[in-house]
Amino acid sequence: DAGVIQSPRHEVTEMGQEVTLRCKPISGHDYLFWYRQTMMRGLELLIYFNNNVPIDDSGMPEDRFSAKMPNASFSTLKIQPSEPRDSAVYFCASSSRGPYGYTFGSGTRLTVV
Amino acid sequence: AQSVTQLDSQVPVFEEAPVELRCNYSSSVSVYLFWYVQYPNQGLQLLLKYLSGSTLVKGINGFEAEFNKSQTSFHLRKPSVHISDTAEYFCAVSDAGGTSYGKLTFGQGTILTVHP
Repeated sequence: DAGVIQSPRHEVTEMGQEVTLRCKPISGHDYLFWYRQTMMRGLELLIYFNNNVPIDDSGMPEDRFSAKMPNASFSTLKIQPSEPRDSAVYFCASSSRGPYGYTFGSGTRLTVV
Repeated sequence: AQSVTQLDSQVPVFEEAPVELRCNYSSSVSVYLFWYVQYPNQGLQLLLKYLSGSTLVKGINGFEAEFNKSQTSFHLRKPSVHISDTAEYFCAVSDAGGTSYGKLTFGQGTILTVHP
């Protein structure tokens, strides 16, 4: 099993540009989570899906952020337009057993200049 | 809603010494509790979890944690640390049911640094 795959690993973009982060969960997992990690705020849950349906998006910072899960094997997190304060490491995690089987991806380090 | 407080942001310790990383949680319902470890430039890995039953939980790499319901704590311990244990450790809580089931809330993390 290749685990949770995130791409790209690193992304540097200019303020105002659109950024799309991608995640491929582990096959058979029915939960998918997007987290953001910063020094100031630690790990924040942005949104999570169950069976491809968004369950809780209360952590999405503002309308510039959107997430989709068109099928069980793919999810995207989009930021448009990006701002320097969006710079962070974004993690995707998937699970087949609710909260107690999380597998995290290696993360995408986003830098907005 | 749940919350997690990790009482120490940094813990320095010498190799082969014991260590305790402290975690307190707040929740109005029954909870599941977890400890994760993050090595530099990597994602988080599960160390151990408490779901029910025995309050002393053993995990990987010689770590263990004790669930104390009356003190709402879930402290992580290791009797003898190694240089390779240097990492950031996160305590996390989840509701054991209800509408928030499936969602983990993490503490701010504790950086454990093991010195030779």
